[in-house]
Amino acid sequence: GESVGLHLPTLSVQEGDNSIINCAYSNSASDYFIWYKQESGKGPQFIIDIRSNMDKRQGQRVTVLLNKTVKHLSLQIAATQPGDSAVYFCAEKLRDDYKLSFGAGTTVTVRA
Amino acid sequence: DVKVTQSSRYLVKRTGEKVFLECVQDMDHENMFWYRQDPGLGLRLIYFSYDVKMKEKGDIPEGYSVSREKKERFSLILESASTNQTSMYLCASSFTALNTEAFFGQGTRLTVV
Repeated sequence: GESVGLHLPTLSVQEGDNSIINCAYSNSASDYFIWYKQESGKGPQFIIDIRSNMDKRQGQRVTVLLNKTVKHLSLQIAATQPGDSAVYFCAEKLRDDYKLSFGAGTTVTVRA
Repeated sequence: DVKVTQSSRYLVKRTGEKVFLECVQDMDHENMFWYRQDPGLGLRLIYFSYDVKMKEKGDIPEGYSVSREKKERFSLILESASTNQTSMYLCASSFTALNTEAFFGQGTRLTVV
């Protein structure tokens, strides 16, 4: 079946550096792609989304890039901080579907 | 702030027991979801509900059922708990089907022994 997946299960980043978290998807019918952050002991929290007709979307210190040609999604975090240490999930959603389909997650560890 | 509250943070149950996981949201959201989270597998959807008394199977409904008698409350039921249902269970809610933002509870860590 089609699924959303992440390239790497773990990522270690030096504080102050930029982080790039990657995700590959296979369902070309998905209309939205979303990033969630899950801190230790908490439920996932919405970060940012991008619609399939866009290539790039920026938020506060985060940028999501969508490359539909290669079915690739990435989350860039600028000036990574200790509070960015978490598990990051990409997810996809069809336009009129209730369901979010999540990938396996990437654990980001920020080194001081 | 939207609040999704799960009744227990940790539960230990015996094989064969009937288990109830409760979830309440306080923002009048239409949609509610139950996911389970396992290492390396991400979040997998068990069931969801888009209205009171309405429910739909997710990707892994086997061994589970749900109940939504009131808009704010969504219960997950393990009819006869098994050890392979040991997991983290996450409840979530969202306003409408068009929303990409779901609000999650803190999770219930269930251990079946």
